[in-house]
Parts: sequence; C-alpha cells; structure tokens
Amino acid sequence: NAGVMQNPRHLVRRRGQEARLRCSPMKGHSHVYWYRQLPEEGLKFMVYLQKENIIDESGMPKERFSAEFPKEGPSILRIQQVVRGDSAAYFCASSPARAGAGDTQYFGPGTRLTVL
Amino acid sequence: RKEVEQDPGPFNVPEGATVAFNCTYSNSASQSFFWYRQDCRKEPKLLMSVYSSGNEDGRFTAQLNRASQYISLLIRDSKLSDSATYLCVVNNRGSQGNLIFGKGTKLSVKP
Repeated sequence: NAGVMQNPRHLVRRRGQEARLRCSPMKGHSHVYWYRQLPEEGLKFMVYLQKENIIDESGMPKERFSAEFPKEGPSILRIQQVVRGDSAAYFCASSPARAGAGDTQYFGPGTRLTVL
Repeated sequence: RKEVEQDPGPFNVPEGATVAFNCTYSNSASQSFFWYRQDCRKEPKLLMSVYSSGNEDGRFTAQLNRASQYISLLIRDSKLSDSATYLCVVNNRGSQGNLIFGKGTKLSVKP
C-alpha cells in the first residue's frame, strides 16, 4: 500500500512565477490536508479538503494561494506570483474517510519550494 | 500564548539515557493528542497517540494531564537512532480536523 505521494520533491521558481504542488493521498483516504513548514519553524495548517470540497481554508493566505482536490487525480496546491517568503517545505497529509477510523494523519515526503 | 509549546532543546544525551519531553497546550477543548517524530529534512511520522490513561509502546511512554493541559513523552534506554526532532501535536476538532504542531524538541543521542 503506497503511502502519501507528493511531487515534485524539489521545486525552484523565480519570483513572479507560479508553483504547482501535487499530492496523491494513501489508497482509501479521501481527506487531504496541506501544511507549510518555514525554515526552523513548526508545521502550520493551510487547508483541509475532501473530494471536490474545501472544508477548512482558515490557514491559507488570502492572496495568491489556492487548493483543489478534484474527483479524479491528485490534490493541487497552487501558488501564484511566488515571492521569496514562500520558500518552505509543503507537506500533504491524508486520513481515512470511514467513520470511526480515527484522526491519524499520514504525511507525504513534502515538496521543498525554493524561490530565487 | 502559543497553542502548543515545547522546549526547543537541544537535548544532548548519551546512549542508554532516559529523556523526557514536555508540552503544554492552550485550548482546554482539545480532543486528540499525538507525538510525531521528524528527521532532518523529512516528513513528520506518527510516533504514538496519547491517551488520558497514559500509554506505552516499547521504550516510549506518553502521558496526558487534561487538568494541567500537559503532555509528556518519556524515552528509556535511548538509541542513536532516536536522534530526531519530536513534535507535540494537538487536534482541536476530534476526527478529521487540522493538526496543531509545536515547534519540536530536538534530541541528539551520542555514543
């Protein structure tokens, strides 16, 4: 059973470009969470999605950031017009859909975004 | 006050030592508690959930004190491979909610 998959693992962008980060949850999981970890900081929640729905985006910056989890395919975190402060590790996590399965979240290996 | 606070360390201990990490959380309505481990430049990995009755997994023991809003992790007979950052994590919404992470406590086990 493959774990949570993220790609690319490393992404370099120049200021003003767009960054697209992809996340495929574990098999059987339909809840996806995105977290950001700035250098020397803890992980911060960004957004929680289920298939075709954004459940909680309270941690997402209001400008330039968006996320989706379509019916088919991976979840996408999109950052438009990147700035140097967006350089960070972006982790995706997934959890099961079935009731009573608990709230354990399993993390992907992360995408390390560097903005030049 | 931060939602989840931990001593950042680093804790430098010899092999075989017993080491304890502490964590406090600010939201008395928090429902679920975890310790995760994060190796350098890797993703967090679940070490153990924390229950009110306390729980043990091999050399690792976790305790929760809801009245004091305090969580602890005890590692006995520490190994070189235990060197990592230990993250105290709280979920305020029970099932299927976002996790709130402490900044982590760094442990370095020396031979």
